[in-house]
Amino acid sequence: DAKTTQPPSMDCAEGRAANLPCNHSTISGNEYVYWYRQIHSQGPQYIIHGLKNNETNEMASLIITEDRKSSTLILPHATLRDTAVYYCIVSGSSGNTGKLIFGQGTTLQVKP
Amino acid sequence: DARVTQTPRHKVTEMGQEVTMRCQPILGHNTVFWYRQTMMQGLELLAYFRNRAPLDDSGMPKDRFSAEMPDATLATLKIQPSEPRDSAVYFCASGLVAGGTGELFFGEGSRLTVL
Repeated sequence: DAKTTQPPSMDCAEGRAANLPCNHSTISGNEYVYWYRQIHSQGPQYIIHGLKNNETNEMASLIITEDRKSSTLILPHATLRDTAVYYCIVSGSSGNTGKLIFGQGTTLQVKP
Repeated sequence: DARVTQTPRHKVTEMGQEVTMRCQPILGHNTVFWYRQTMMQGLELLAYFRNRAPLDDSGMPKDRFSAEMPDATLATLKIQPSEPRDSAVYFCASGLVAGGTGELFFGEGSRLTVL
C-alpha cells in the first residue's frame, strides 16, 4: 500500500473550516484514500473514503486531485470536539483485505 | 447501536504472567483486526482474520503472542509470557470488507500495563 505524508500538527479556529492535506504520490490505480480520526483515548473512527471522485458525508468532505497524488479532508465547521489526530491512509480496493496501515497522522487542535 | 466490544478495558499484571484480551466483533462482519498503540510506535497492525481464518500475523512477536478466533463472535489475543515492553493499548476492529465499504469499526481498546 502507498505511503502517505501529513503535516504533524495544525490549528483551526472554532466554527471555521479545517482543511487537512495529505500527499500520496505513489498511489496506484486501485487504491482508495481513507480518513480516520482518533480522539484522545478512544479507538480510531472512520470519517470518509474515496477512489477518485470527491466525496461528502455528514462528517466531512474529501477532495482528491485529478492525478490522485494528494487529497484534502475538509471539516466545514470545526468544533472543539473535532480536536483529534487525523489519519490519511491509502489502502487496496474495498474488496481486498481491508487492512489499514496507520502513519503518524495530523494532530488538529480546534481553538475557541 | 452495533459496536465492537473489548475486554478487559484495563489490565495490570506482572512480568511473566499470561494475558488474554477478548474482542466481540460486530455481528455479520467478516474481518477482524488486532492493533497495538504506543506513544513511540503509534498504531501497529498485529494480525487479522477473514471469516475466522488468519490472513496475516506478521506484525506479532511469534514467540509470545498468539491470536485466534474460536468462533465468529469471539477473537482473542494472548501474550505468554508478558513483558514490560508489551505495555500498550490493544485495539480490535471489525469490518465487512468483501463487497463492503471497507470501513473498520474499532473497539475502545484494552489498556495493558506489565510491571
